[in-house]
Amino acid sequence: DVKVTQSSRYLVKRTGEKVFLECVQDMDHENMFWYRQDPGLGLRLIYFSYDVKMKEKGDIPEGYSVSREKKERFSLILESASTNQTSMYLCASTLGVGNTEAFFGQGTRLTVV
Amino acid sequence: GEDVEQSLFLSVREGDSSVINCTYTDSSSTYLYWYKQEPGAGLQLLTYIFSNMDMKQDQRLTVLLNKKDKPLSLRIADTQTGDSAIYFCAEGRGSYIPTFGRGTSLIVHP
Repeated sequence: DVKVTQSSRYLVKRTGEKVFLECVQDMDHENMFWYRQDPGLGLRLIYFSYDVKMKEKGDIPEGYSVSREKKERFSLILESASTNQTSMYLCASTLGVGNTEAFFGQGTRLTVV
Repeated sequence: GEDVEQSLFLSVREGDSSVINCTYTDSSSTYLYWYKQEPGAGLQLLTYIFSNMDMKQDQRLTVLLNKKDKPLSLRIADTQTGDSAIYFCAEGRGSYIPTFGRGTSLIVHP
């Protein structure tokens, strides 16, 4: 089975802190994605990556950056956390071009105080 | 407007059928998906359908696709309390980006 693992289920951070959310997948998938999920807004794409060291902005990249140094790992970085970044963050991966079946991690509930 | 639209809430009685609807706009979509999200968890793939199919059945789940008007629906027969969750439909945008609807919260009451 494909497994996508997010490093934390729950995080509480202070405003202004630098926050790292880590995601690892174990099935050699080419594409990885970070979404945030808020009530009534569904899943919104923050960033995605289709190859090592490659990244593309999604629909809401402001306030975030990403890093993909290895194929299996995709990190989301909040350079200076703000309260409006309190949300559920979901990492996903897909096999490659032409295959959009997504496998998700369990989610990280981030609270910024 | 949104690429994928679905209603936000559906309430049904245990034992009834649930029908969750979705519309999508990308005519290049090859696969259309339904995911289930239980409280506090990530999304899990329930089922999918090729865009050239009309229907797909998998135990209690039936997916119907109207290719002309592009509504997609998920029918759950004999809905149980364990089916209470958020259901997302999704399509492939371009060649590899999955695009999700806002999710439909299904509430099953006794």
